[in-house]
Amino acid sequence: GQNIDQPTEMTATEGAIVQINCTYQTSGFNGLFWYQQHAGEAPTFLSYNVLDGLEEKGRFSSFLSRSKGYSYLLLKELQMKDSASYLCAVKDSNYQLIWGAGTKLIIKP
Amino acid sequence: GAVVSQHPSWVICKSGTSVKIECRSLDFQATTMFWYRQFPKQSLMLMATSNEGSKATYEQGVEKDKFLINHASLTLSTLTVTSAHPEDSSFYICSATTGANTEAFFGQGTRLTVV
Repeated sequence: GQNIDQPTEMTATEGAIVQINCTYQTSGFNGLFWYQQHAGEAPTFLSYNVLDGLEEKGRFSSFLSRSKGYSYLLLKELQMKDSASYLCAVKDSNYQLIWGAGTKLIIKP
Repeated sequence: GAVVSQHPSWVICKSGTSVKIECRSLDFQATTMFWYRQFPKQSLMLMATSNEGSKATYEQGVEKDKFLINHASLTLSTLTVTSAHPEDSSFYICSATTGANTEAFFGQGTRLTVV
């Protein structure tokens, strides 16, 4: 079966750095996405990785290792508004998005 | 980025009635639209995939006669929840893509409460 694993919940301090990991086992791979979802809202796109390496976009960076089936989302200079769920999703061989359960990130002052 | 508009944002209906949710891509042509359901504190669950002009492909366990999906044009897809029951209360989200290797753009979601 297809499976995406990410921690259920993480806590970090305002101004600090946090890394959210995601491991996946899917039938085929056509890219990995990270989305941010605030409670009661739809997900918003953060990043897309299809090749190995690090993609940086402002305070957020995403890393991918296809051989290890592993990705992480790195958030720097954390702000209170970063408190949200972060969803890892992989497009499989049918280009269908397979979603992880999401990591709830709690930011403390 | 591309905009997907979903309407209504929230709706309350009585058991046994039907509710229609619209999903529109405002500034691009969506070749494929997806409908998801999300229960509290759970991840997105794909209900069905629809391509313009063809019948939707439903995920296992999703009743196609209860959740009617129409994708009549490249900019509009609708989900109709028929004979709604309280257990259908959930957050329904649509997303749209222009091609296989592009990101999915999400509507703002519809909070359905069946009383």
